[in-house]
Amino acid sequence: SQKIEQNSEALNIQEGKTATLTCNYTNYSPAYLQWYRQDPGRGPVFLLLIRENEKEKRKERLKVTFDTTLKQSLFHITASQPADSATYLCALPDYGQNFVFGPGTRLSVLP
Amino acid sequence: EADIYQTPRYLVIGTGKKITLECSQTMGHDKMYWYQQDPGMELHLIHYSYGVNSTEKGDLSSESTVSRIRTEHFPLTLESARPSHTSQYLCASSVSGTGLNEQYFGPGTRLTVT
Repeated sequence: SQKIEQNSEALNIQEGKTATLTCNYTNYSPAYLQWYRQDPGRGPVFLLLIRENEKEKRKERLKVTFDTTLKQSLFHITASQPADSATYLCALPDYGQNFVFGPGTRLSVLP
Repeated sequence: EADIYQTPRYLVIGTGKKITLECSQTMGHDKMYWYQQDPGMELHLIHYSYGVNSTEKGDLSSESTVSRIRTEHFPLTLESARPSHTSQYLCASSVSGTGLNEQYFGPGTRLTVT
């Protein structure tokens, strides 16, 4: 099955800056990739999906890229705000109709 | 907010007890999942169901069992709780055919076995 790596360290950035989070996978390139947000003590919430034939997807201040050659997705939050502080997970379809989730990157946006 | 509910939210129980974690969704989703997540760690799939009377074990070995008698209900049972079962348990659902395959998660049950 897939193995996913995300930024191993927590990411601290200043309010107003752009946060960039990485998601690298090791095996076959999936048909699509998802990003979720998880707040402490709560379940993840779906943010965006990007398909293998899409280079970039945007939603408000969020932007996701997908490079199947590098086996990598980048997740950007522009004009970051303290409310964006959370853990961000990437997920890929695995065998059957299931998903494998990455370990997540904890983002802290400092005021 | 997703219409998926889990009870209890927190549970502290002694070793050897039988427990059932409840999960219900009102969205009519055919697929449901149980994940286990330790603090700061990734989610591990322990059970899934693609519809009524369909249940399968996930990647992570688990001593729990599940049932899917109704579309909206997917309870998880531990016959004899042990301290190693201490974790957060997350239930999720999704629907086939939308193309997004996004999963809707419940708030989770934090289980502590003493």
